[in-house]
Amino acid sequence: DIVLTQSPALAVSLGQRATISCKTNQNVDYYGNSYMHWYQQKPGQQPKLLIYLASNLASGIPARFSGRGSGTDFTLTIDPVEADDTATYYCQQSRNLPTFGAGTKLELK
Amino acid sequence: EVQLVETGGGLVQPGRSLKLSCVASGFTFNNYWMSWTRQAPGKGLEWVASITNSGGSTYYPDSVKGRFTISRDNAQNTLYLQMNSLRSEDTATYYCTRIGGYGSYYFDYWGQGVMVTVSS
Repeated sequence: DIVLTQSPALAVSLGQRATISCKTNQNVDYYGNSYMHWYQQKPGQQPKLLIYLASNLASGIPARFSGRGSGTDFTLTIDPVEADDTATYYCQQSRNLPTFGAGTKLELK
Repeated sequence: EVQLVETGGGLVQPGRSLKLSCVASGFTFNNYWMSWTRQAPGKGLEWVASITNSGGSTYYPDSVKGRFTISRDNAQNTLYLQMNSLRSEDTATYYCTRIGGYGSYYFDYWGQGVMVTVSS
């Protein structure tokens, strides 16, 4: 299995930039695509797709969210952070059978 | 509007069986691969099963292989998860998920989830 490693938590101030990282133990690139995706989950709700294939914004997601990376290192950036962005963010790879990171809880300072 | 509505959860004893259902609407069901993903209380996400749009192929992680069976009825726009030999570690909220982007295997829509509790 491909293992995804995320930091457990991140605290940022309103209006600042949040950068959430996800590192994999194997390359998730294949034929020009990076098979890395990002989700947001608020308490008591189902996850929501934010970013697919490393850098593509999902439908209805504001442009404050962006993703980048390739190979084994990926980041999700939220800029500027709003109060409604407090949530847990998960990365997921699909280069092999799907696996998720443990999640990063974003909190406000 | 895409909607995925799960039913069938509840309390079940270890070793028993349970079958979840997911009714899909708002999209052409038989064009999409579908999946189940679960989340144990206070824990992260774990993919548990996927099925191709025709139902001809299925995929599972080792943690449920041989115990869980995913299936679909395209005429009824319904996805199923048959869970046998349930264990306490199967206790989780189970989400019905649509797989977006052919070959890209990301989960673009999620249901509200249904709780399964395995306990004596």
